[in-house]
Amino acid sequence: DAGVTQSPTHLIKTRGQQVTLRCSPISGHKSVSWYQQVLGQGPQFIFQYYEKEERGRGNFPDRFSARQFPNYSSELNVNALLLGDSALYLCASSLDSGVAYEQYFGPGTRLTVT
Amino acid sequence: GQNIDQPTEMTATEGAIVQINCTYQTSGFNGLFWYQQHAGEAPTFLSYNVLDGLEEKGRFSSFLSRSKGYSYLLLKELQMKDSASYLCAGRSEGNTPLVFGKGTRLSVIA
Repeated sequence: DAGVTQSPTHLIKTRGQQVTLRCSPISGHKSVSWYQQVLGQGPQFIFQYYEKEERGRGNFPDRFSARQFPNYSSELNVNALLLGDSALYLCASSLDSGVAYEQYFGPGTRLTVT
Repeated sequence: GQNIDQPTEMTATEGAIVQINCTYQTSGFNGLFWYQQHAGEAPTFLSYNVLDGLEEKGRFSSFLSRSKGYSYLLLKELQMKDSASYLCAGRSEGNTPLVFGKGTRLSVIA
């Protein structure tokens, strides 16, 4: 079975630009979460979606937004990019919401802002 | 909220046993997770504890004490490929997002 997939793998943008990252969860998984991981740190939670509804939001500015589609895939958008947005963006999927299911991570998108 | 603490770096010898500790402070509790992350790769799930005690999975074991807010990951018969960052993550309740520690970078030396 295919795992969580993310695209693109790498991305280079300049300050002020906008970026869209994509994620496809494991087949049958309905919950998708997005994390930002800066070099040398653990992943920081950005958003969680379940059945196309936002279930949680981390401490990130409104420049960050996301959505989940009927097929459970998801997009993360970041507007007005800053140098500090350079990071590995991880998508994780899990079976359900409401119980403590383990999350499976995709390979990530490495975003570099110059 | 949650706060997860773990050591920044550890070094151990090939074939030895290493224990990576994690302490957490949470307003609620619904699970403690351990992930392995090799440089430049995504985290991969290792273990999950929600009840007190030891969970064993091959060379890896994880322990939880809820009363002490404490967990550890035990790696036996260390191999060079075990050199990686080990992330401790907690969940406060339900399927709320995981809160990760900064990770422990383990170096296995010959």
